[in-house]
Amino acid sequence: GIQVEQSPPDLILQEGANSTLRCNFSDSVNNLQWFHQNPWGQLINLFYIPSGTKQNGRLSATTVATERYSLLYISSSQTTDSGVYFCAVDQTGANNLFFGTGTRLTVIP
Amino acid sequence: DTGVSQDPRHKITKRGQNVTFRCDPISEHNRLYWYRQTLGQGPEFLTYFQNEAQLEKSRLLSDRFSAERPKGSFSTLEIQRTEQGDSAMYLCASSLGQGVFFGQGTRLTVV
Repeated sequence: GIQVEQSPPDLILQEGANSTLRCNFSDSVNNLQWFHQNPWGQLINLFYIPSGTKQNGRLSATTVATERYSLLYISSSQTTDSGVYFCAVDQTGANNLFFGTGTRLTVIP
Repeated sequence: DTGVSQDPRHKITKRGQNVTFRCDPISEHNRLYWYRQTLGQGPEFLTYFQNEAQLEKSRLLSDRFSAERPKGSFSTLEIQRTEQGDSAMYLCASSLGQGVFFGQGTRLTVV
């Protein structure tokens, strides 16, 4: 089956710093999404981005489907950005998502 | 509230008991998914409905698990004869095509 690897596994940032999270996948995909899981367990939909670049406030994402990777950029990080960031992909076209290993981000004041 | 709603939020049950969880998807979303997440892991796909039809089931969904979506709106997930290994967060999600949106989950603890 498809492999989805995220790096780094853990990241600690000072408030205000910028960061880049990476997601590598081993096969072609129909869909790719980035999620933020907050400390209460809620999975928040950040981007639906099977290809190209999108921006939403301090967050942006780029997926290069031909090279099988996606990047999530977080600028001017805030303590509320803490949590686990997941990349998830779908190969079926039915949005049956396969989740990556996650990046745990801690932003300290 | 226009998000995915799950009930209950928490459930503690004794081993061997049956439990049932409910999910109300975002209105008009025709696709509904169940996932399971254990501590330190990402969510794992369990099953998928398009309208009332259950189209795919993971190998993780043993015979003790059953899911329904009788009228193509809300869904239920039942676990019979619960085991300690069933302790996890059960997440429901819905979609209309672009993007999958998750509920807050039901945390199950089997004691």
